[in-house]
Amino acid sequence: GAVVSQHPSRVICKSGTSVKIECRSLDFQATTMFWYRQFPKQSLMLMATSNEGSKATYEQGVEKDKFLINHASLTLSTLTVTSAHPEDSSFYICSATLVGRYENIQYFGAGTRLSVL
Amino acid sequence: AQKVTQAQTEISVVEKEDVTLDCVYETRDTTYYLFWYKQPPSGELVFLIRRNSFDEQNEISGRYSWNFQKSTSSFNFTITASQVVDSAVYFCALSVYTGRRALTFGSGTRLQVQP
Repeated sequence: GAVVSQHPSRVICKSGTSVKIECRSLDFQATTMFWYRQFPKQSLMLMATSNEGSKATYEQGVEKDKFLINHASLTLSTLTVTSAHPEDSSFYICSATLVGRYENIQYFGAGTRLSVL
Repeated sequence: AQKVTQAQTEISVVEKEDVTLDCVYETRDTTYYLFWYKQPPSGELVFLIRRNSFDEQNEISGRYSWNFQKSTSSFNFTITASQVVDSAVYFCALSVYTGRRALTFGSGTRLQVQP
């Protein structure tokens, strides 16, 4: 149980285009979803926290107009990288937490490797 | 603010050796959770264990064991009889009970198990 699906796993795009990444909790309802960014050989840095039906909370230094987060339901959150540039190239990974007993355990998707040319 | 320190950047062992990954944390909250995650080369993070701040019992799960000591703010992870499949980056993480409950990750320890 507790499977999080993230799509796409890899995307290559031209500079200036927008890219949407989906994060779905497949077999549970998620109270909260998180979006992280990971640079090569580095740790995960939290970008934003999203709760269903409300605006995302962004970490300091993360541009909310650049990284649009929508949390339309208890099972789906999307991250859109708008007008992507080469410096946005990174590994983006989402996580979701359960409602109920095992709340506070974050289950992670497989990540999306974004390469902006 | 929370902080997690994994001082070991990279560890290399030979198969069947035991290995301990260190984790030291800082928080002013009295209620918090500690986690270990494994990140194999494929990239996804695999949840290994959660421990809350009120439970200092050590835990063993197969070849894995965890030693939580509040007195030294440490939550160390030991793999007994390591195997090549254990090769991965291991992250220790902390979240506090209040607020957004986001994870603060350590910098990770890359474990290479040689055959």
